[in-house]
Amino acid sequence: EERLEESGGGVVPPGGSLTISCEGVGFSFSFYAVSWVRQAPGKGLEWVSTVNDGGDTHYGDSTKGRFTVSRDTSRNTLYLQMNGLTLEDTAMYFCAKTRSSWPNDFFGPWGPGTPVTVSS
Amino acid sequence: SSELTQDPAVSVALGQTVRITCQGDRFRYDYASWYQQRPGQAPVLILFGNNKRPAGISDRFSGSRSGNSAFLTITGTQADDEADYYCNCRDSSGNRWTFGGGTHLTVL
Repeated sequence: EERLEESGGGVVPPGGSLTISCEGVGFSFSFYAVSWVRQAPGKGLEWVSTVNDGGDTHYGDSTKGRFTVSRDTSRNTLYLQMNGLTLEDTAMYFCAKTRSSWPNDFFGPWGPGTPVTVSS
Repeated sequence: SSELTQDPAVSVALGQTVRITCQGDRFRYDYASWYQQRPGQAPVLILFGNNKRPAGISDRFSGSRSGNSAFLTITGTQADDEADYYCNCRDSSGNRWTFGGGTHLTVL
């Protein structure tokens, strides 16, 4: 069974930094893309970042330049380093296995998420 | 434009059929993936590609597209279909993704 589990969320002051993690089980990050998707309280889903199977990284406009995604294939773990956090970054952060093979593109499975709260 | 537009809320009577719409220029060339999210839970993939369902997803869920719109159709709607539904696709670069704003489905 393929599954993912996020960890490392917490409360951070504005301007602070935090790194969250996502461990995958049942498939290898060396052969599949993995993404971060976030959801602010009461709001919709927002794509944050993707690392493809070759290690290339891509970012959404709202976090580009502040967030850095990386992976450790030996630990099958994805990381999201978040700097310069603002109140608008408060959200549940999900990781998801990502298939980028047109026309069958999708996110799944998803982890349960880890909450990040930016507050003074 | 890479934006995807969904109606914020739709309602359907128990046992009836409902269609949820996602509008975006990308659907002239691409397919949507669809996700169901119940309160307090992570999203779940329910449809991708040309009307493909992952293992374990009911055949009451089906997908289609026409012009600049993608559609999720639920037949024989059940009470536990009440949830938020999101569409998604990649942009023209192939490296960035966009979600629709989501549609809350109420089952009456």
